[in-house]
Amino acid sequence: EPEVTQTPSHQVTQMGQEVILRCVPISNHLYFYWYRQILGQKVEFLVSFYNNEISEKSEIFDDQFSVERPDGSNFTLKIRSTKLEDSAMYFCASRKGADTQYFGPGTRLTVL
Amino acid sequence: KQEVTQIPAALSVPEGENLVLNCSFTDSAIYNLQWFRQDPGKGLTSLLLIQSSQREQTSGRLNASLDKSSGRSTLYIAASQPGDSATYLCAVPLGGGSNYKLTFGKGTLLTVNP
Repeated sequence: EPEVTQTPSHQVTQMGQEVILRCVPISNHLYFYWYRQILGQKVEFLVSFYNNEISEKSEIFDDQFSVERPDGSNFTLKIRSTKLEDSAMYFCASRKGADTQYFGPGTRLTVL
Repeated sequence: KQEVTQIPAALSVPEGENLVLNCSFTDSAIYNLQWFRQDPGKGLTSLLLIQSSQREQTSGRLNASLDKSSGRSTLYIAASQPGDSATYLCAVPLGGGSNYKLTFGKGTLLTVNP
């Protein structure tokens, strides 16, 4: 069964460093998402992406964040200058057109 | 703004028991509702999606119901097993098409004791 994959599973970085989180959505899906979950808190929406552009972004998704779909398979989230409060689990999700969103296993980002 | 609440926050039951998890949402104008399972430190596994036109959706030992007008959904788990231990999340979408995104509850942590 097709699934969303994410790499790395765990990323440790120093405050102020740039990180890139990678996702491979399900191949025939059209809509792509990033969510995050700070430890002990709700899963929260960051950004949606469709037709090679951002559809919507939350207040969290400020100028430090960017997304890209550099080729036909990868979908990346870049954080330019990480802060301590960026430490969270980041989930990628994709959706074909029917409503079910499929989530990847997540990348745990730890900012020291 | 859509708010999603899940009660109880945690539930511990003996193996074999039937149980109900609750989810409520403030804006009843939803397209559907999705239930997920999350194991510790892991991703989200979609369990059931129930459309706004449906009242129930079943998958194996799981049954989800939806009452849009009252802003409530329940997830019924029959004959619980230790392997069912996980956090169960409900989520409702805001927007449609390219603006579709999910709003999550905080989840119910279920422990099924052997």
